[in-house]
Amino acid sequence: SYVLTQPLSVSVALGQTARITCGGSDIGSKNVHWYQQRPGQAPVLVIYRDGNRPSGIPERLSGSNSGNTATLTISGAQAGDEADYYCQVWDSTTWVFGGGTQLTVL
Amino acid sequence: QVHLVESGGGLVKPGGSLRLSCAPSGFIFSDYYISWIRQAPAKGLEWVSYISSRGNTIYYADSVRGRFTISRDNAKNSVYLQMNSLRAEDTAVYYCARGDPYDYMDVWGKGTTVTVSS
Repeated sequence: SYVLTQPLSVSVALGQTARITCGGSDIGSKNVHWYQQRPGQAPVLVIYRDGNRPSGIPERLSGSNSGNTATLTISGAQAGDEADYYCQVWDSTTWVFGGGTQLTVL
Repeated sequence: QVHLVESGGGLVKPGGSLRLSCAPSGFIFSDYYISWIRQAPAKGLEWVSYISSRGNTIYYADSVRGRFTISRDNAKNSVYLQMNSLRAEDTAVYYCARGDPYDYMDVWGKGTTVTVSS
């Protein structure tokens, strides 16, 4: 089965840029989606199909995908960005989630 | 406003059964695939099952295949997850979400909690 690997945690200083990676075999050939989950809340889609933002998601969040790594980039990190972030792909007949990355804004 | 609402969670003993429901609001339910995703305490997201818009395509994660059954009644605007032979490791918050295969899940419910414990 397909495996997505994310770092357990990423820290970023307030106002700086955070990058959260999602590794998978030839992930660049797949569409990658990203979800933000704040404590006690349901996941929210923040990036779809590698680099597209749903309405209401700020331009500070962006995504890219190439080779074996997809990346979620959060520019000008704010306190409200503190959350868990999950990448997701479709593989064969199932959805696969990465293990999640906890983003801490210092 | 577009959203989903789950219900039916609770405390159940190992080996017991529970049926979860997922109901939509603000969109044509019968046009969409619906999935169940779960999250064990302090763990990540795990996709559980999905059902096509007409109910004729169904898939399960290996961890629940043979024990869980997904179904839908478009006339009642509901998707169900019948969970049998429950185990402690099935303890989780269960979310339903809207999304087509090959693509993303754009609408999620707030979740319902299932606890399997003696």
